[in-house]
Amino acid sequence: RKEVEQDPGPFNVPEGATVAFNCTYSNSASQSFFWYRQDCRKEPKLLMSVYSSGNEDGRFTAQLNRASQYISLLIRDSKLSDSATYLCVVKIGNDYKLSFGAGTTVTVRA
Amino acid sequence: DADVTQTPRNRITKTGKRIMLECSQTKGHDRMYWYRQDPGLGLRLIYYSFDVKDINKGEISDGYSVSRQAQAKFSLSLESAIPNQTALYFCATSDLTGGQETQYFGPGTRLLVL
Repeated sequence: RKEVEQDPGPFNVPEGATVAFNCTYSNSASQSFFWYRQDCRKEPKLLMSVYSSGNEDGRFTAQLNRASQYISLLIRDSKLSDSATYLCVVKIGNDYKLSFGAGTTVTVRA
Repeated sequence: DADVTQTPRNRITKTGKRIMLECSQTKGHDRMYWYRQDPGLGLRLIYYSFDVKDINKGEISDGYSVSRQAQAKFSLSLESAIPNQTALYFCATSDLTGGQETQYFGPGTRLLVL
């Protein structure tokens, strides 16, 4: 079983729509959670950390559900520039290692 | 200028050849990493280093070696390249800010092994 699993998508949405997707993780000892964004053929970049109480950064909202072992990302009022692959990243305790999901692709159309 | 740079950006080589991928950073971070990315898979850790004298294997280190020549430089070598090492390779650095570790990635090296 993969440590981090994501629906690969693609999620095709019109501009202005809301899109949401989840990521599940297998290790209950996971303590830190992140969403990274990766544009086509480019490097991943940190989008936001995910905190236990949930957090928001502009149009992006991240939630953590420890009981069901998943995190979610919601994008409101989608822009064309939001088209990218979103990587779910999990860190177990103080371990050095980050576990990456394969990514969820979002395409926002005009 | 980019904080994490990788050379070359693209490379085509033949089976059995030795090649080196280089990574340099100006962020002053101690921690550096090498990952590979394959379609449909998440990034997988090859090697990591927390200091100049520190080298550690990641989850897929077989067929690879690394050298941490200085705090700013971390190179990855494929001693005898094989086709299933065709992938996108990323170098990354990290720091701990506010208790959270953020990784900063280089632009990647696309490697094709024929």
